[in-house]
Amino acid sequence: DTGVSQDPRHKITKRGQNVTFRCDPISEHNRLYWYRQTLGQGPEFLTYFQNEAQLEKSRLLSDRFSAERPKGSFSTLEIQRTEQGDSAMYLCASSPGQGAHVEQYFGPGTRLTVT
Amino acid sequence: GQQLNQSPQSMFIQEGEDVSMNCTSSSIFNTWLWYKQDPGEGPVLLIALYKAGELTSNGRLTAQFGITRKDSFLNISASIPSDVGIYFCAGQNNDMRFGAGTRLTVKP
Repeated sequence: DTGVSQDPRHKITKRGQNVTFRCDPISEHNRLYWYRQTLGQGPEFLTYFQNEAQLEKSRLLSDRFSAERPKGSFSTLEIQRTEQGDSAMYLCASSPGQGAHVEQYFGPGTRLTVT
Repeated sequence: GQQLNQSPQSMFIQEGEDVSMNCTSSSIFNTWLWYKQDPGEGPVLLIALYKAGELTSNGRLTAQFGITRKDSFLNISASIPSDVGIYFCAGQNNDMRFGAGTRLTVKP
């Protein structure tokens, strides 16, 4: 399978714990995006990387959230001191480097439940 | 919050019927995209539109990029049960914004 993969698919954690999600983009794509999706809504942009550089962050990305893409391949999204409001689907997408952010391909998502 | 207004919110149709949904915005977008999402999965890209007025087809799906660059529509012809899902429009400039989705139910 050469699509975007995410791990884990599901995560249940207690409030206050830290969680980390991983995304592996399509291998030749150098742009990688993180989104959050809550029930009944479309995905909301969180941040994106061009290779290893984090170029844009949404205001949704509070200080408790951090994302990395250390070698320009896979990326991790960490949420510290989780809150119940963090419960959502976290989606990763990747796209080729040509053009402006077109044709993003999504992974299956990580569903986070904070109890 | 969402900047794209997608309608209708939900549709219940009979197999074989045609479907039309649209997306409007107060902002101009350089690219419009349509995605389909099944429960528990990520969105899957259906069609991408790059020029105002562009009409593009992908099998039974047809989408158009509005002349004003502030709207787009998606048509599905001769619906089948596997068309069930949530369809999202997305407008893209520096980042990509999504509508809230149209939930499609197809009755056999």
